[in-house]
Parts: sequence; C-alpha cells; structure tokens
Amino acid sequence: QQQVKQSPQSLIVQKGGISIINCAYENTAFDYFPWYQQFPGKGPALLIAIRPDVSEKKEGRFTISFNKSAKQFSLHIMDSQPGDSATYFCAASSLTGNQFYFGTGTSLTVIP
Amino acid sequence: KAGVTQTPRYLIKTRGQQVTLSCSPISGHRSVSWYQQTPGQGLQFLFEYFSETQRNKGNFPGRFSGRQFSNSRSEMNVSTLELGDSALYLCASSPQTGGNSPLHFGNGTRLTVT
Repeated sequence: QQQVKQSPQSLIVQKGGISIINCAYENTAFDYFPWYQQFPGKGPALLIAIRPDVSEKKEGRFTISFNKSAKQFSLHIMDSQPGDSATYFCAASSLTGNQFYFGTGTSLTVIP
Repeated sequence: KAGVTQTPRYLIKTRGQQVTLSCSPISGHRSVSWYQQTPGQGLQFLFEYFSETQRNKGNFPGRFSGRQFSNSRSEMNVSTLELGDSALYLCASSPQTGGNSPLHFGNGTRLTVT
C-alpha cells in the first residue's frame, strides 16, 4: 500500500513556466514532508521540506504548499529552467517513526 | 565534509548468488538507512540502523539483511539473489534516528541480477 501518492508520473514544461507536482497522504501522524531532487546517476538530494504548522514554505524558485485538511502537499517550481530537469520525490515521515515514505517520483523535463 | 559513500557503484550477479553492499555515512552521522529504488516503485524502505542496532525494517524478505559497525559504516547483504532484486540500492545517513531527521543519500549501488 502506497502511503504517499504522487502525480503526475512525468511532466514537460517550457522554460520559464511553472512546474507543479502533487502528493497526497493518508496517515495523519505524518508531520514532516520533504521533497527530494534526483539527477541521473546521483542519489536523491533534499530540496525543501515543510512541517504541518505552516501552509507554505518558499526557498528561491521552489515553494511547498501544504493543505492539512485535504492531506495534500505540492511542489511548485517557478521560472522552470532546463537545469531543473530531474526526478522529484515527495516523502513523509513522523517524529516517532524510523522511516520515510516516498512517492513514486515525477520525471520533470524543462524544454529550452 | 565528505558525503555518503557507497561501494561498489555497479554489480552484476547471477541468480542464486549473494551480494554485499557497503555504505560509509557522513562523518558524525549515526543513523544509516537503506532503500531500494526501482522504476515505477519509487524508494522502498529496507531498514535503518542506529548505534549498531536495527531500529526498523521494511517489508522485504529475510534474504535482505544488514548490519552497522561501531564506526557507523553499514553493510547490506542479499542472499539467494532473484531477478527481481535488480535495482538501485541507496544508502542514506542522518545525524539522529527518527523520522524528522533529514536523509543524506549516497549515489547508490546499481545491482543487476542475470
């Protein structure tokens, strides 16, 4: 059973456009929601993370929007660049847990 | 600070063999987790070690095992390899155990079982 559901599976965006990736979860005990970025041949790297006490967190061109009541969170990449082309994973965990639950990933391609 | 180091980067094994993968965490990190990454499945949790103790185990058969040494380095072993074990195996370290401690991943070991 997939604890975190991610969509879309793949995404193609024009340079300068907005990329949006969505995730949903069921376990209300989750209280930490990170996003990871993975380039080919590399391991995932932490991009940005949010806790449920805030509805939005922004770091540069990357923004997480969090909707606690809907149990959904999303990653927005503003002014998308070809260098953003990568696979993005959302994840969730709880303070008392010992593991992260990952979405199935979104392959983002930004066309010049 | 050096990142998480995984060796070897690539492995080709035959069905029925066993394999050992190695992971050196970031200096000072005491938690090491292992994940299996396959296309379409994302990252599946294998197990986590903290201070040489397995803290949590994912839903994988007993053929998958691991251990952690006193210097926090970790090894993962897969016995009686099956074709379906072909995957990228990722090791991640973090300063503390617990679900809110960010993971720092290595570049993985690509295992191919023929």
